[in-house]
Amino acid sequence: AQRVTQPEKLLSVFKGAPVELKCNYSYSGSPELFWYVQYSRQRLQLLLRHISRESIKGFTADLNKGETSFHLKKPFAQEEDSAMYYCALSGNNAGNMLTFGGGTRLMVKP
Amino acid sequence: GAVVSQHPSWVICKSGTSVKIECRSLDFQATTMFWYRQFPKQSLMLMATSNEGSKATYEQGVEKDKFLINHASLTLSTLTVTSAHPEDSSFYICSARRGQQTQYFGPGTRLLVL
Repeated sequence: AQRVTQPEKLLSVFKGAPVELKCNYSYSGSPELFWYVQYSRQRLQLLLRHISRESIKGFTADLNKGETSFHLKKPFAQEEDSAMYYCALSGNNAGNMLTFGGGTRLMVKP
Repeated sequence: GAVVSQHPSWVICKSGTSVKIECRSLDFQATTMFWYRQFPKQSLMLMATSNEGSKATYEQGVEKDKFLINHASLTLSTLTVTSAHPEDSSFYICSARRGQQTQYFGPGTRLLVL
C-alpha cells in the first residue's frame, strides 16, 4: 500500500520568511514524488516532480529515501505563494495512479 | 500546454436523478483519465482509472454501478452519478494523462444534490 502524509494542515509565515512544507510517504518500491499546488479558485497544477530536479517559482524538494520524505522548501516566501499544496506519490503499479496527501494550506502574510 | 476541461462546472439536482459530468483533453490525446472526489477541506481521493476503450478500474469502496465511467475516445471521459443522493454532493475532479507523462487536472465540477 502507498500512503502520503502531510502533517501540517495549515502553515502561516510572514513574507520573506523561509518555508518548509513537510511530506512523508510510505511505499515499498521506488516511488515517484510530486508536489501539486492549487491557488484560490484555480485547478490543481503540477509544481514539481522529484525526477526533474528543477526549481519552480523558487521551490525545491529533495527526495530523501532514508527518511521517506519529500519536503517542499522555499527560502523566501512571497504573498502569491499562498495556496493549497498537495504532495503526491506514484508507484510502479498498474495505471501509475497518484496517491495524495491531505494537503497543507500555506498562508503568507504581508 | 495540456488543457483539460470539465463540464458542467457546477450542477444542482434533485435526489434520485442522474448527473453526467464530462472531462475533455483539449489539445492532447489522453490514454488514461482519472476521476477524483474531494470533500470540503479534504484531499483528493481517487475514485477510478479509465483507459480508452476499456472498462474503468474502480478503487476499493467506490460503487461502479453508482458511478458509471465511460472513456469512449482519447479526448473524452464521462462520469455519471446515477440516482444521486445528498451524500453524493462533492467536488469531482478529473485528470488526463498521455502515456506515462504528467497528469493534467480539470477545474472540477461541484455537485449539489438536494
